[in-house]
Order: sequence, then C-alpha cells, then structure tokens
Amino acid sequence: SQQGEEDPQALSIQEGENATMNCSYKTSINNLQWYRQNSGRGLVHLILIRSNEREKHSGRLRVTLDTSKKSSSLLITASRAADTASYFCATEPGGSYIPTFGRGTSLIVHP
Amino acid sequence: NAGVTQTPKFRVLKTGQSMTLLCAQDMNHEYMYWYRQDPGMGLRLIHYSVGEGTTAKGEVPDGYNVSRLKKQNFLLGLESAAPSQTSVYFCASTGTSVANEQFFGPGTRLTVL
Repeated sequence: SQQGEEDPQALSIQEGENATMNCSYKTSINNLQWYRQNSGRGLVHLILIRSNEREKHSGRLRVTLDTSKKSSSLLITASRAADTASYFCATEPGGSYIPTFGRGTSLIVHP
Repeated sequence: NAGVTQTPKFRVLKTGQSMTLLCAQDMNHEYMYWYRQDPGMGLRLIHYSVGEGTTAKGEVPDGYNVSRLKKQNFLLGLESAAPSQTSVYFCASTGTSVANEQFFGPGTRLTVL
C-alpha cells in the first residue's frame, strides 16, 4: 500500500496561476521527495526535504513539511503550460531508505 | 553519460511466455529498483538491490525475479507472463541509501495478451 497519498488527484488551472498539491503519509519519515512525470516519460526529481526541515525553495517551487500533521505541500508559482505533468511525492519511512510513492496529482495548465 | 537506460522500450508477449527487462546505469550507483506503474496506482516497488550480488523483495514481487550480477545492471525477469503483468516498468537508481534522489529510466511498456 502507498505510504504517501497526493491530493487532489487532478488539478486544472490557467497559466500564471499558482498550483498547490498536498501529500499525506502514515508513518514517521526520514525524507520526503517530490517528482514530476511528463506523459510517457520517467520520473524526474524536483526537490528533497528532510524530516528536520520545514520549508525549501527551488526556483518556482516551494515545498513545506509538517511532521506533526504528517503532510507536505508542493506549490508551483506562476505556472506555465510546460508544468503540465503528474506530480508524485515519495517518502522514506523511518528505519527504511526505500522510497514509497503515492498515486500522484495530475496537473493541467491551460495556456 | 547516459544515466539510466532500459531495454526494450516496448514489448508484447503472449500469456505464458518469458522475457527479461534490462536496466543499466553508468553513474556507479549502489541502489537499483524496479517499479511498475498502472493507471491510478502510482509506482509500486517490485524488487530492489542495495549492491552487486544482492536483491530484495518490494511491495509486489510475485511473478518476477531479478538479478544484479554486475553493479551497473539490474535485470527483471518474467518466467511465465500473465495479463495482470501488463504495465509500464520503470527502473531507477540512487547513489547511496541516505537522502539521495532517484534517477529513473524511460520505462518499458509491456503488454501481455
């Protein structure tokens, strides 16, 4: 079973808007990572946040982590049509360094 | 530097046939993984390896076998393919066990008739 679950399952926005997707997980973790998958392609790593970190930025991406709520959010600011993809969170449960993926959020950005 | 490569890219099998999927990485990574991706299910871990000569079961290992005879290669075998194994298979690798991103191959689309 998936350790992490993304929400919403699908998100449709206009170019220029911000996109926020969330990930909830069940057990304590070492790290949480976000990946992007373009249609028909492999996953590409976006950002990693450690369990002792609360927020990280990378370009237009902002990731937060709330370990007390066992949740993370990925914010994409000023979205572009090229951001259209599926986004997955991957968690490494405490004591294990094997990433477990959620089902993903499908993001569509309309030009 | 090719990263992670997978062969073949596409394959159609009949029920009961066997095949081997090859994953190769040129980054000297210790850890390698095989996932399957089905619609609405995300990625599920089949088997993984923490180093040359080692393998371990993941979440959905039944019907699959793996081997890691060389550090750079990780093979996934289907001894007797079933329609339930129709899926997209992804290989990934990572340098160490701690806080490292996974590098993914482009995937193999397998259809079992």
